[in-house]
Amino acid sequence: DTAVSQTPKYLVTQMGNDKSIKCEQNLGHDTMYWYKQDSKKFLKIMFSYNNKELIINETVPNRFSPKSPDKAHLNLHINSLELGDSAVYFCASSPGTSGYEQYFGPGTRLTVT
Amino acid sequence: GESVGLHLPTLSVQEGDNSIINCAYSNSASDYFIWYKQESGKGPQFIIDIRSNMDKRQGQRVTVLLNKTVKHLSLQIAATQPGDSAVYFCAEDNYGQNFVFGPGTRLSVLP
Repeated sequence: DTAVSQTPKYLVTQMGNDKSIKCEQNLGHDTMYWYKQDSKKFLKIMFSYNNKELIINETVPNRFSPKSPDKAHLNLHINSLELGDSAVYFCASSPGTSGYEQYFGPGTRLTVT
Repeated sequence: GESVGLHLPTLSVQEGDNSIINCAYSNSASDYFIWYKQESGKGPQFIIDIRSNMDKRQGQRVTVLLNKTVKHLSLQIAATQPGDSAVYFCAEDNYGQNFVFGPGTRLSVLP
């Protein structure tokens, strides 16, 4: 009964490839997020969606495109992968856009070679 | 962009002692603050939160203090246990317009 799940857990790919990471939450939350955590553990928000609508879109290369088919899913597609994209990507969800704790998935470790 | 906290420090404490983890936040408009714990290989997990109209909140073995005057947040863990070993992050929420995480503090509990 995982609350926030991500697939895959590990992703190893070559530069220039296109890949997707999927996220699903079964908490009934309205808001979902994508974060990137670098090798120094720094966590930075990339996107947030509320009821399938984009709310936060931080300064992220447009090679990254989130897609929310419904409010329980927020997928992240990355085009033309670069070495600097290597990181752990976390999906999270919360009941609303502000003033709520966020529930994080287990993370997807992306390695670009 | 904005940053919260300092470069990732490490705090080592003896088992049974109290731990204090500090965080400096940058946006005086932030209204909600959260502490998360991240164990190795896992996602961050909520510990405790505090809203800007409070200066102290207590949970089970944890206390968060908020000093808005100097934009400082602290997490106190009482009777630290080996299971408390993890990276701890403070995070600030500016009315849902932005979420900023601190760089984290690694807590090591010594036997």
